[in-house]
Amino acid sequence: EDKVVQSPLSLVVHEGDTVTLNCSYEVTNFRSLLWYKQEKKAPTFLFMLTSSGIEKKSGRLSSILDKKELSSILNITATQTGDSAIYLCAVPSGSARQLTFGSGTQLTVLP
Amino acid sequence: NAGVMQNPRHLVRRRGQEARLRCSPMKGHSHVYWYRQLPEEGLKFMVYLQKENIIDESGMPKERFSAEFPKEGPSILRIQQVVRGDSAAYFCASSEDRGGTGELFFGEGSRLTVL
Repeated sequence: EDKVVQSPLSLVVHEGDTVTLNCSYEVTNFRSLLWYKQEKKAPTFLFMLTSSGIEKKSGRLSSILDKKELSSILNITATQTGDSAIYLCAVPSGSARQLTFGSGTQLTVLP
Repeated sequence: NAGVMQNPRHLVRRRGQEARLRCSPMKGHSHVYWYRQLPEEGLKFMVYLQKENIIDESGMPKERFSAEFPKEGPSILRIQQVVRGDSAAYFCASSEDRGGTGELFFGEGSRLTVL
């Protein structure tokens, strides 16, 4: 069974700090790894990673995939209170039309 | 271009009643997925549908749950004879017709509370 494990489960930091969120996966047929941000409503797409070692960047957020280690990290620099959310990592599995999600990292950024 | 639309946003039912959750995918998307999120847990896949077809229902409970995506109208997730354990957020997502590696666009969810 495909599996995604995220760590830490929760994290509390102060504005301006840099955080690193981890995601490791076990999947039968790897296609991609996706990161989502979930505030109180819909998970919103952040990144899709398919190639090892190539960093994807969007503003203060960046992510990289390590296929050798079966893992990915999501970095957020100069955190702001608006970054407070659950960050979800997922991999396509089964028929490739379903995503297997990790249980998420709850990030809280204090002013 | 409206996103994935779900309704109702909140639904309260008593044990034994039926719950119907609706989802309209993003314009141009022909693939619909339902996920369930229990309190303190991640999103769990339930079912994947295309118009008039259930493609993968491997995550659906065997009893009381059903889903459809008719030729016209929204996708419906139906839960019969609800129990307290059905209380959860039910998210619908849609995607374009890709090879299965692409991103899903999620709706804001329907939160079901069973009293």
